[in-house]
Amino acid sequence: DQQVKQNSPSLSVQEGRISILNCDYTNSMFDYFLWYKKYPAEGPTFLISISSIKDKNEDGRFTVFLNKSAKHLSLHIVPSQPGDSAVYFCAASGSNTGKLIFGQGTTLQVKP
Amino acid sequence: ETGVTQSPTHLIKTRGQQVTLRCSSQSGHNTVSWYQQALGQGPQFIFQYYREEENGRGNFPPRFSGLQFPNYSSELNVNALELDDSALYLCASSLGGLRNTGELFFGEGSRLTVL
Repeated sequence: DQQVKQNSPSLSVQEGRISILNCDYTNSMFDYFLWYKKYPAEGPTFLISISSIKDKNEDGRFTVFLNKSAKHLSLHIVPSQPGDSAVYFCAASGSNTGKLIFGQGTTLQVKP
Repeated sequence: ETGVTQSPTHLIKTRGQQVTLRCSSQSGHNTVSWYQQALGQGPQFIFQYYREEENGRGNFPPRFSGLQFPNYSSELNVNALELDDSALYLCASSLGGLRNTGELFFGEGSRLTVL
């Protein structure tokens, strides 16, 4: 069973516009959510996270929103830049497990 | 600060063989996790080692085993390789074992192809 789902395999946006990447989860025991970015031939790198006690966390151009009732989170990138083109993974963890459950990833392409 | 390094970066094996993948954790990190990433999928948790002991395991058979050494480096061993074991194997280090909130530092991975 896929506990973390990213239903859009790919997304293409124009430079300067907003990119919105979505993620749904099924396990209500998850209490920490993260976004990772992955370039080809590199390992995933941490981007931003949010605890379940919050509904928004912002870091520069990146904002993560959490809707617990809908079991949905999203990553907003504003403004999008060509260097943001990568695969984005949503991940979730339960309290004190140290184990991340990843979604399938969304490939973002930002066109100049 | 030295990041997470993995070796080898690429390798090819045949069915039934055994493989050992190695990982050096980021300086100061005492926890190592291993993930398998199949093509087109997200990483899947294999297991985690904290202070040289297995500290959680995903849905992988016993032929997947590991070790963590006193310097916190780690090995992933896979016996009796199957075609479906072909994947990118990612090592990630972190602090705190079970108390870790989930921010992991990944290596570049070892790409295993089983023929």
